[in-house]
Amino acid sequence: DIQLTQSPSSVSASVGDRVIITCRASQAVSNWLAWYQQKPGKAPKLLIYAASSLQSGVPSRFSGSGAGTDFTLTISSLQPEDFATYYCQQAHSFPFTFGPGTKVDIK
Amino acid sequence: HVQLQESGPGLVKPSETLSLTCNVSGGSISSYYWSWIRQPPGKGLEWIGYIYNSGSTKHNPSLKSRVTISVDTSKNQFSLRVTSVTAADTAVYYCARAVNGGRLEYWGQGTLVTVSS
Repeated sequence: DIQLTQSPSSVSASVGDRVIITCRASQAVSNWLAWYQQKPGKAPKLLIYAASSLQSGVPSRFSGSGAGTDFTLTISSLQPEDFATYYCQQAHSFPFTFGPGTKVDIK
Repeated sequence: HVQLQESGPGLVKPSETLSLTCNVSGGSISSYYWSWIRQPPGKGLEWIGYIYNSGSTKHNPSLKSRVTISVDTSKNQFSLRVTSVTAADTAVYYCARAVNGGRLEYWGQGTLVTVSS
């Protein structure tokens, strides 16, 4: 199975801050990588797919980059509704796997 | 607008079978990859498997041969069965629609299944 690691595991930030989350794959996944946002008690929500494509309806302050084994999710200006846990997911080979998550909370 | 809704027992006894159904509305179930994902309380996400082409399936080897995913196109729903459950199968179970490329576009709200005697 392809293992995904994320860093940091948690980050405390303020509204307006730029937040960068990284995801590293144990082997190359090309650009078969997605990012999700999950709030407590809710299902995850797709933000980014194919490493850098913004899902319809997702604010443009979210962006993704990377290819191969190293990826980043950037929130350019953190908003109150962005405090949540973020997961990366690879779709290069089954079983599709998720990273352990990065919790973004209020400083 | 596609909506998914899980249903099934919230409590299952150890060694018994967990059965869940996902009802799909707002779109046909005849296309896409219809998936099950689970999340143990306070932990991360695990992709259980999916069904596509109205019958082909793929499931996570971590669950060995305990998993069956099926579809009922006449009812626009798909189902999950996990046999011989243990406490480790306690989780919120989500159904979701994946598109080609393996991204999960639409999710159900999730249902907590607890394995306990």
